[in-house]
Amino acid sequence: KAGVTQTPRYLIKTRGQQVTLSCSPISGHRSVSWYQQTPGQGLQFLFEYFSETQRNKGNFPGRFSGRQFSNSRSEMNVSTLELGDSALYLCASGAGVDGYTFGSGTRLTVV
Amino acid sequence: GQQLNQSPQSMFIQEGEDVSMNCTSSSIFNTWLWYKQDPGEGPVLLIALYKAGELTSNGRLTAQFGITRKDSFLNISASIPSDVGIYFCAGGSYNQGGKLIFGQGTELSVKP
Repeated sequence: KAGVTQTPRYLIKTRGQQVTLSCSPISGHRSVSWYQQTPGQGLQFLFEYFSETQRNKGNFPGRFSGRQFSNSRSEMNVSTLELGDSALYLCASGAGVDGYTFGSGTRLTVV
Repeated sequence: GQQLNQSPQSMFIQEGEDVSMNCTSSSIFNTWLWYKQDPGEGPVLLIALYKAGELTSNGRLTAQFGITRKDSFLNISASIPSDVGIYFCAGGSYNQGGKLIFGQGTELSVKP
């Protein structure tokens, strides 16, 4: 059974640009959550999508957005990148609150 | 952002020793999860706890869901070098869907 797949693994962007990250959940999982991981703030919840609808949202500015497609694949977008957006972005899929499975993440560096 | 209080922040132990780490929260959770993260990878689920007072084992790992629903601990017995990594606790609530609140992590180093 394939795990959670995130692409790309690494990304370097310039301040002011925008970026789109992709996540393919485990087959059959309809919930996809996104997290930002930084050394200073740890793992912080960004948002969750379930059946193409945003079900939950963390405390991040509106520059962070996401969407989910009918096949449960999800994308997150960050516009007008700032240096502080450099982080490991993790996607997790699950069939309920128990046991969310994480992908390997996308390492975003903003220069 | 919101975080759980996880301690200790780091541990440096000898191979074969037992390890204990815990998480506390001011909020009640319906689910406690323990993850391990290796460098450059995403967290991997070790143990999931669903009921207050529940004690669950997974090989050398044992975790408990506190009776008050505000804390959890993880024990690792007879540590081995491959136990090295960062361990995270996470709390979840049924009415919050896939939103997990994480602890700051415990970095474990094992000396052979």
